[in-house]
Amino acid sequence: DIQMTQSPSSLSASVGDRVTITCRASQGISSWLAWYQQKPGKAPKSLIFAATTLQSGVPSRFSGSASGTDFTLTISSLQPEDVATYYCQQYNSYPLAFGGGTKLEIK
Amino acid sequence: QLQLQESGPGLVKPSETLSLTCTVSGGSISSSGYYWGWVRQPPGKGLEWIGTIYYSGTTFYNPSLKSRVTISADMSKNQFSLKLRSLTAADTALYYCAKREYGRSFEFWGQGTLVTVSS
Repeated sequence: DIQMTQSPSSLSASVGDRVTITCRASQGISSWLAWYQQKPGKAPKSLIFAATTLQSGVPSRFSGSASGTDFTLTISSLQPEDVATYYCQQYNSYPLAFGGGTKLEIK
Repeated sequence: QLQLQESGPGLVKPSETLSLTCTVSGGSISSSGYYWGWVRQPPGKGLEWIGTIYYSGTTFYNPSLKSRVTISADMSKNQFSLKLRSLTAADTALYYCAKREYGRSFEFWGQGTLVTVSS
């Protein structure tokens, strides 16, 4: 089974900062990786699929990149509404797997 | 716009079976290429994939739950369901149903339903 290791588990940054969250797959998953944003009391929201493709309606300050089994979610300029927990997920093969999550707060 | 809505009991006793239903509106669960899944989230913890049913009826389960889980679909009602047997307190969680297409993420989610396992 593929394991997804996400880091950091928590992060505090200032408004306007560039924020990076990393996810590493235990084996190759091609580009079959998604990023989700979950705000308290809400269902997860898909931000990015296929590692780099922005879901329709998601602000362009969010972007995804990939290098081998390492994947990155970047927020180019942190906004107050970006406070949330972020999860990666591989869907290259079953069983599907989520990363442990990154809780993002404003400093 | 596609909408998903979970329904089921909020409280279940240990050792019993949980039955949840996801009702889909705005689209057909028999449409080609769609995957319908269940994801859960224990209070204060991360997301765990439970299983998925493909539009053709093929199912995929998390190995950690496979012996206790059954996912099925009722095309006539445009619903898919989750059964989880032999419940323990560790199964207490927010249960979500969700939909994805081939090559894409879970794009549509239900609002989630909280299930508490307690006597």
